[in-house]
Amino acid sequence: AQSVSQHNHHVILSEAASLELGCNYSYGGTVNLFWYVQYPGQHLQLLLKYFSGDPLVKGIKGFEAEFIKSKFSFNLRKPSVQWSDTAEYFCAVNALGGSYIPTFGRGTSLIVHP
Amino acid sequence: NAGVTQTPKFQVLKTGQSMTLQCAQDMNHEYMSWYRQDPGMGLRLIHYSVGAGITDQGEVPNGYNVSRSTTEDFPLRLLSAAPSQTSVYFCASRPGQGRLGTDTQYFGPGTRLTVL
Repeated sequence: AQSVSQHNHHVILSEAASLELGCNYSYGGTVNLFWYVQYPGQHLQLLLKYFSGDPLVKGIKGFEAEFIKSKFSFNLRKPSVQWSDTAEYFCAVNALGGSYIPTFGRGTSLIVHP
Repeated sequence: NAGVTQTPKFQVLKTGQSMTLQCAQDMNHEYMSWYRQDPGMGLRLIHYSVGAGITDQGEVPNGYNVSRSTTEDFPLRLLSAAPSQTSVYFCASRPGQGRLGTDTQYFGPGTRLTVL
């Protein structure tokens, strides 16, 4: 079974700082990768996803993520964060074959100070 | 479309009580799932369904039952509530396997359950 690791559990930044959140997965086959965001008091929504093609994918609100197959990683980045990016971020993976039910990481709580 | 709806939003139970968390979607999605979210634990899959009449266990199924009699509804039953089941519960749906797992999951607003 696949597993997902998010190494940064809590990140605190000032506005305009750059962001990189780590995500590593353990599965040797073909995977689909997702980043979801949960703003305070809201439900989860998709930020971006990768399943094939250009390994650098762009999502909503200026976020992007790069799939590096050799490193089993799918790190999320944003060049300049805003206070409104304060949220919890979840990486998820599902593997080709089987039920395609995604496995989620433990999440990273991001606080951006104005 | 209302998307994925969940009721109730909040619930307090006493140990040993039973209850059903409701989940409905109006997008004709094949797949539906229940997750629980606990601090530092992320989202853990409880049960899921790949279509009406078909359900399977996830990572943490003990103490929960599900059924899927229609495409739209996927209720989660707590048989005998325990304090360890205090959590936020999210229901999610996605179109289905035909797109090889690339499809997006849509989440409901959650139910915050406290078991005393």
